[in-house]
Amino acid sequence: EIVMTQSPATLSVSPGERATLSCRASQSVSSNLAWYQQKPGQAPRLLIYGASTRATGIPARFSGSGSGTEFTLTISSLQSEDFAVYYCQQYNNWPGTFGQGTKLEIK
Amino acid sequence: EVQLVQSGAEVKKPGESLRISCKGSGYSFTSYWISWVRQMPGKGLEWMGRIDPSDSYTNYSPSFQGHVTISADTSISTAYLQWSSLKASDTAMYYCARHFSSLLYVFDIWGQGTMVTVSS
Repeated sequence: EIVMTQSPATLSVSPGERATLSCRASQSVSSNLAWYQQKPGQAPRLLIYGASTRATGIPARFSGSGSGTEFTLTISSLQSEDFAVYYCQQYNNWPGTFGQGTKLEIK
Repeated sequence: EVQLVQSGAEVKKPGESLRISCKGSGYSFTSYWISWVRQMPGKGLEWMGRIDPSDSYTNYSPSFQGHVTISADTSISTAYLQWSSLKASDTAMYYCARHFSSLLYVFDIWGQGTMVTVSS
């Protein structure tokens, strides 16, 4: 099973600033990597798939990059609604596995 | 609107059985796989298993194989997750999620979640 490791566990950023979240796979997952956002009391929401393709309706301030084992989610200018927990997920190898999450909090 | 609507919260005792549901609407239910994902209190997401509603083919994560059963009733566009004997460790939020595309374990539509509490 592929292990996904996210860093940092918690990231404190001020509104309007850029946030950079990292995700590392224990072996190559090619570009088969997705990012999800989860707000308290809500279901996860798909943000990015294919490592860099935004899902329908996702604002352009969210961008994904990387391939192989190293991936990054960047939020260019944080809005108040962006403070949440973010999960990466590989779907290259069965079963798809999630990272443990990065909590993005207001600084 | 494409959506998945799950059944309400449940409180059960250890050893009891349970079935929770996930009703799809706004799309062709048989055209998209449905997965179930567990989230234990304060923890991350764990994929449990999935079903292809068109033929009821299922597969499960090794961590959940034999402990849960996934099924579907296409006549009412509903998928199910069931337990025959609950444990306290089954206490969690359970989400159903639609696969973005067959063969891809990417989930584009999620249900609102069903909280299951197992306590004596």
